[in-house]
Amino acid sequence: QVQLQQSGAELVKPGSSVKISCKASGYTFTSYDMHWIKQQPGNGLEWIGWIYPGNGNTKYNQKFNGKATLTADKSSSTAYMQLSSLTSEDSAVYFCARSRDYGYTHYFDYWGQGVMVTVSS
Amino acid sequence: DIQMTQSPTSLAASVGESVTITCLASEDIYGSLVWYQQKPGKSPQLLIYGATILEDGIPSRFSGSGSDTQYSLKINSLQPEDFASYYCQNGLSTPYTFGAGTKLELK
Repeated sequence: QVQLQQSGAELVKPGSSVKISCKASGYTFTSYDMHWIKQQPGNGLEWIGWIYPGNGNTKYNQKFNGKATLTADKSSSTAYMQLSSLTSEDSAVYFCARSRDYGYTHYFDYWGQGVMVTVSS
Repeated sequence: DIQMTQSPTSLAASVGESVTITCLASEDIYGSLVWYQQKPGKSPQLLIYGATILEDGIPSRFSGSGSDTQYSLKINSLQPEDFASYYCQNGLSTPYTFGAGTKLELK
């Protein structure tokens, strides 16, 4: 069955960077876009961007340009997101999610369990 | 960016009741509307995509409707496991945007 297993919680200092992972299994990793979504405590969901592991193509929410960098390793079926120049506003849970299409609709059918990133000195 | 406005923000209901949550898009999204359920400490779960298509394994008491800019999620005969937060999502164009959520609580 499809599983997205994310790395563990991170406590990082302001100004630093963090790289979190999302290991996919149960499907052909290179055939589906992988998306990343942010959720701040008590808040809603914010789309960060996607990567197509088949060729490494990416697309970002303009809001996260320069903040998030998405990469993927085909050999290990793992997607990564690096967040840089961290501030308290980056403290959140970050989800990876696989997407599928139905007509014009792009939707997220499988989600990772989420990674809590806490930015604190 | 397409703005998604969900209402109500919170809703209290009893087991067995029916509830409806609405989502208004700032422009026509041509039926590309997605609904998710999220329970505390868990990741969102896909319920409905394409405004009306029920994801495999989701109970038939969940249904979606709507077109253009106005969409709704209806839950018939609420079960204890349905008390959670619900989010709509613009699935048409990037940036994919979500409604702020509706928290469904037990009355």
